[in-house]
This record gives sequence, structure tokens and C-alpha cells, in this order.
Amino acid sequence: DAGVIQSPRHEVTEMGQEVTLRCKPISGHDYLFWYRQTMMRGLELLIYFNNNVPIDDSGMPEDRFSAKMPNASFSTLKIQPSEPRDSAVYFCASSLSSNYGYTFGSGTRLTVV
Amino acid sequence: ILNVEQSPQSLHVQEGDSTNFTCSFPSSNFYALHWYRWETAKSPEALFVMTLNGDEKKKGRISATLNTKEGYSYLYIKGSQPEDSATYLCAFLNGGSQGNLIFGKGTKLSVKP
Repeated sequence: DAGVIQSPRHEVTEMGQEVTLRCKPISGHDYLFWYRQTMMRGLELLIYFNNNVPIDDSGMPEDRFSAKMPNASFSTLKIQPSEPRDSAVYFCASSLSSNYGYTFGSGTRLTVV
Repeated sequence: ILNVEQSPQSLHVQEGDSTNFTCSFPSSNFYALHWYRWETAKSPEALFVMTLNGDEKKKGRISATLNTKEGYSYLYIKGSQPEDSATYLCAFLNGGSQGNLIFGKGTKLSVKP
């Protein structure tokens, strides 16, 4: 298995533009998580899905953020419109269940200028 | 607010030294405790998932213990090697929210040859 695949690896965009981050979880993993990594707050959970259904989106900062999981092999995190304070590394992770370690993707480094 | 504290924030040791660091978490409504190893420019990798009070896990020179009653876990590295240099994250899973893994800020370990 190729692991959790995220794209793009790096994204530089101008303030106000729409940004879409993509994730392909490990096949067979029922859980998918989106995390954001910043210096100030460390790794924080934005949203997670179980069997493609969003379970907890309380970590999504505001309405500008949205996430979808149309099928078991694909998820997107969208920011519209983007702002400079959204600059961070966004990780996607998947897992069989809470009793198993999470497998993280390589992350997308987002810079909003 | 559920908080996970790790100490120390950073640690510098010589090759061959044994070392340990601490993770503190809420002792109520415990479900699981995860440890991850995060090398620079890579993504976090799962080391251990522990669920039972008194659990001890081992992987090569790295081991971990868990005390759910008092809310702490120790990670031990025996005979540190330069390749052990990384940030070690612990993460707490609350029983009330099966997917919301709350991460500490990590302990950054540097091992000098």
C-alpha cells in the first residue's frame, strides 16, 4: 500500500483565492482525519469521518472551511476564501479504528500571501 | 478543555545515553493513549497505542508505560542513537469522542554522536 496520499505537497496562493487539498486514505481504513499543524497550536483536529460520514467538525475554524468525503477513497478540504492566517501544514490521516495508530500523509504546506 | 502536556519540551543527550519523557493527560473518561515519532520533514509515525492501565509496550530500544488512574505515560529510549532524533508526540483519546485524538506539543529529542 502506498500509504495516505496527499496533494499537493505545497500550495502558495493569494488571499481570497479558493484552495482545495486532497487526500486518499489507506484502503480499508474506516476513519479519515484532517489535522492542521501550526507553531502556536501544534497538531489540531479539524474534522474526521467514519465510513465517509462527517462525525465531528467542531475543529473547523469557520465557515470558510469545508470538507467532503464522497467515497471511501477520497476526501477534500476546501478553504474559500483563503486568508494569510490559514497558512499551515495540513495533514490527512487514516485509521482502522481508535485502537490502532493513525497513518499520516506527507502533508500539504499551504502559504497564503 | 482536555489538555495533553508533555515534558520536557526539548532534550539533548549524547549517543548511548538512556532517556525518558512524560506525557500527562486527563485521567477521567480515558479511552486510549498514542505515541508517535515525528522526524523533521516527514509525517508522524505511530509507535504505540495503549488502552489498559499498567500497559507496557516495547519496540526495539523504545518502550512506554501507562498509568490511567493518575493520567501519565512515560516513553523510554535505551542507548539513544542519532537516528532517534525526532519529536515524540503523545495523544489522548477521550471515551466520549472516539475520533478526536488530542495531541501534546511533543518532546524534541536531539542525540549527539
